[in-house]
Order: sequence, then structure tokens, then C-alpha cells
Amino acid sequence: GQQLNQSPQSMFIQEGEDVSMNCTSSSIFNTWLWYKQDPGEGPVLLIALYKAGELTSNGRLTAQFGITRKDSFLNISASIPSDVGIYFCAGVQGGSEKLVFGKGTKLTVNP
Amino acid sequence: DAGVIQSPRHEVTEMGQEVTLRCKPISGHDYLFWYRQTMMRGLELLIYFNNNVPIDDSGMPEDRFSAKMPNASFSTLKIQPSEPRDSAVYFCASSLAGQLWDFGPGTRLLVL
Repeated sequence: GQQLNQSPQSMFIQEGEDVSMNCTSSSIFNTWLWYKQDPGEGPVLLIALYKAGELTSNGRLTAQFGITRKDSFLNISASIPSDVGIYFCAGVQGGSEKLVFGKGTKLTVNP
Repeated sequence: DAGVIQSPRHEVTEMGQEVTLRCKPISGHDYLFWYRQTMMRGLELLIYFNNNVPIDDSGMPEDRFSAKMPNASFSTLKIQPSEPRDSAVYFCASSLAGQLWDFGPGTRLLVL
């Protein structure tokens, strides 16, 4: 089936640093979503991207939909301790409503 | 809106027992999805419904798994008989017109 390759698997950073993670696929996706999951909770939607090249921000978060529609990245600026969690990319291919997930990036922020 | 509601939040059962997980989607959403999350396999789509009709159940691992959606506000995922390898977190999600999926808090299942 469809696969999303998400990297890095984990990141350990200092508070205040910027973070970047990305997701790639061999297939074209029509929609890219970025979610954050806190321990013991379900994934929460951060940003949704619907057009190739689209750049969208949500506070300190910025995400882009790749021009080829096969990749997306998420940046977090000036990280804070509450940014800790697992970040997932997810995508939907054309003609489908199935949301496929990457394996996640586990972020640790040291105060 | 209360968001997607799942029950129970935690379930511990013995191998061979029947397990039923419940989900109430967001009112007005027309799609409902069941996912399973494990360390090894991440988030996997098991089955999804559109307007209460199952559309794709290709992710359901075995005949031991079944899902129903008798009305727009309720769905169940049943495992019978349960096995230790079914231990995972099961999420229900709903969406409107196949966009902006909202996830519930999950049911943590442990089969001993």
C-alpha cells in the first residue's frame, strides 16, 4: 500500500531551537496533514495542506506541500517544552478518503 | 462539540474473550474511520464508513475483527476471540467530506 517515509525518527533539541521534519512518498498525494500526538491522547491536527506549493503557518508552526506533491515538511520555530510529543505526517491520495500516516517523529525539548 | 468520543478508554481482557470498542463521531460528519496504533506498525487504517456504509475494510486483520455503524452517531469495533497480539491503541476518527479528520482519545486494549 501507500507508504509515507517520515524523518527523522526522533529529535533531541534545546528549548529555543528551531525544528524541521519531513515526509516523502513515491506516490502523489492530494492532501497533506500534520498531526501531533501527546502521550495517552489521540492525534491532534496541526496544519492541513491542499495545494502543491502551499505554505501554511499556525503560530510557530509552518508546513509546506511540495511542488511534486510527493513530499511535505513541518518547521517549528523557537521550540518550547510543550512542543514535546510525536509528530505525524499524513496524506490522502486522489480519489480516496483514506488517510495514510508516516511513522512519526518523536520530539524531545530540553529546557 | 465534544469531539469524537470513544469508550472504554482502557480495556484489559483475557485471551479468547470478546472485546467491543465504541465510537461516537462528531455530529454531522459523514465519514468514520477505525485505526490501530502499535509501536511496530504505527497507525494503520482498519476500516472506514461513509454515511454508515462500510467502504473499505481491507485493513481489517482477520475475520476475528468486525465493525458496524448502525447509525450516524455510533460505531463499534468488535474482536472475537481476542488474542494477545491484538493489544494496541484503537482510534476512531471522523471527518466531513473526507477532510480534516478528527481523532478520538483512543481505547488502550491489553489482551492477556
